[in-house]
Amino acid sequence: QPVLTQSPSASASLGASVKLTCTLSSGHSSYTIAWHQQQPEKGPRYLMKLNSDGSHTNGDGVPDRFSGSSSGAERYLIISSLQSDDEADYYCQTWGSGIFVFGPGTKVTVL
Amino acid sequence: QVQVQQWGAGLLKPSETLSLTCAVYGGSFNKYYWSWIRQPPGKGLEWIGEINHSGNTNHNPSLKNRVTMSVETSKSQVSLKLTSLTAADTAVYYCARGSSTVVDYWGQGTLVTVSS
Repeated sequence: QPVLTQSPSASASLGASVKLTCTLSSGHSSYTIAWHQQQPEKGPRYLMKLNSDGSHTNGDGVPDRFSGSSSGAERYLIISSLQSDDEADYYCQTWGSGIFVFGPGTKVTVL
Repeated sequence: QVQVQQWGAGLLKPSETLSLTCAVYGGSFNKYYWSWIRQPPGKGLEWIGEINHSGNTNHNPSLKNRVTMSVETSKSQVSLKLTSLTAADTAVYYCARGSSTVVDYWGQGTLVTVSS
């Protein structure tokens, strides 16, 4: 089954952009992933589906300042024009060998 | 717009059985698999398993022996039972929709605390 790796933390200033990385384990570089946002004390929210070619589809009501891209085994979430309520944990997720797999999450701090 | 609502007992004792139910509104219940996912306090997300309208299931091998999932298609509801609870099962439990390879709708979550 695939394993997903994420950096524990990232930070950027209000109004700036931040790029989060999710890395797929060896042999799984073609996999589609999803990104999910979890604000403090709330449940997760689906942000987007991101394919290996970089094409992505945002979930209902997710603004365009959330975008995605791909390069090899890496999947990226780019958040533009950072707002204070973007401060959250971000999880990547994929599916393989019959199970759903989540990354450990990246905590984003808005400075 | 899909809405996922869930409910169940929030405080249980060790060795007891967790029982949660999830109802789906406004979506095509029969077209999707419905997952259970949990998150221990301060930790990440762990997929428990999924079920579809026909009762077909997939499980996380780490929990398979303790998990039972069921479906009531006429009510667009799925249920989860987790037996032989310990403190390590304390978590927020989420019901969520699986669409092909991604989870794309989440319930609000139910905190289940296992304590004597």
